[in-house]
Amino acid sequence: RKEVEQDPGPFNVPEGATVAFNCTYSNSASQSFFWYRQDCRKEPKLLMSVYSSGNEDGRFTAQLNRASQYISLLIRDSKLSDSATYLCVVLHNAGNMLTFGGGTRLMVKP
Amino acid sequence: GAVVSQHPSRVICKSGTSVKIECRSLDFQATTMFWYRQFPKQSLMLMATSNEGSKATYEQGVEKDKFLINHASLTLSTLTVTSAHPEDSSFYICSARESGAGRDEQYFGPGTRLTVT
Repeated sequence: RKEVEQDPGPFNVPEGATVAFNCTYSNSASQSFFWYRQDCRKEPKLLMSVYSSGNEDGRFTAQLNRASQYISLLIRDSKLSDSATYLCVVLHNAGNMLTFGGGTRLMVKP
Repeated sequence: GAVVSQHPSRVICKSGTSVKIECRSLDFQATTMFWYRQFPKQSLMLMATSNEGSKATYEQGVEKDKFLINHASLTLSTLTVTSAHPEDSSFYICSARESGAGRDEQYFGPGTRLTVT
């Protein structure tokens, strides 16, 4: 079983749609959680951190459920520019190592 | 924000040769840098953790004699792929950890695409 699992997609949605991505992690000792965005052939870029209380940044909302070891990302009013692969990332404080999920590919169509 | 550079951005080499990839933190000192590898349509996989002034820590399954890591200064880590083979063709990405003064973040380099023919 992978440490961080995501539905690979692709998710094909029209502009303006709301789309949700899910992620589960297996290490209950994981301390910090993030969503990264990766465009084709580019390095991943931090989209947002995920906090236990849930957090929002514009059209993006992240949620964390520690009991279920589950993380989500909601994108409202999708834009064409949101097309990318979204990576769920977990940080183990020991060694400060990031573990990446396989990524979920999003394609927003006009 | 902090910037991490990698050089070269793209390299093509012949099987059996060695390739060196540089990772630099441009405006901060990084005591720890990480090297990742990403095959097509797959996620990033951590190869090794590079600590300034000490030996790198390799992940299980990564050959330390094949992937030589040198972290000679607080702003530079190098990854040398020795005796490269076509199966080493991949996207290699480094990240640098900035810590101290209330900060603890990792920044990714732009990646190096290696093609071994």
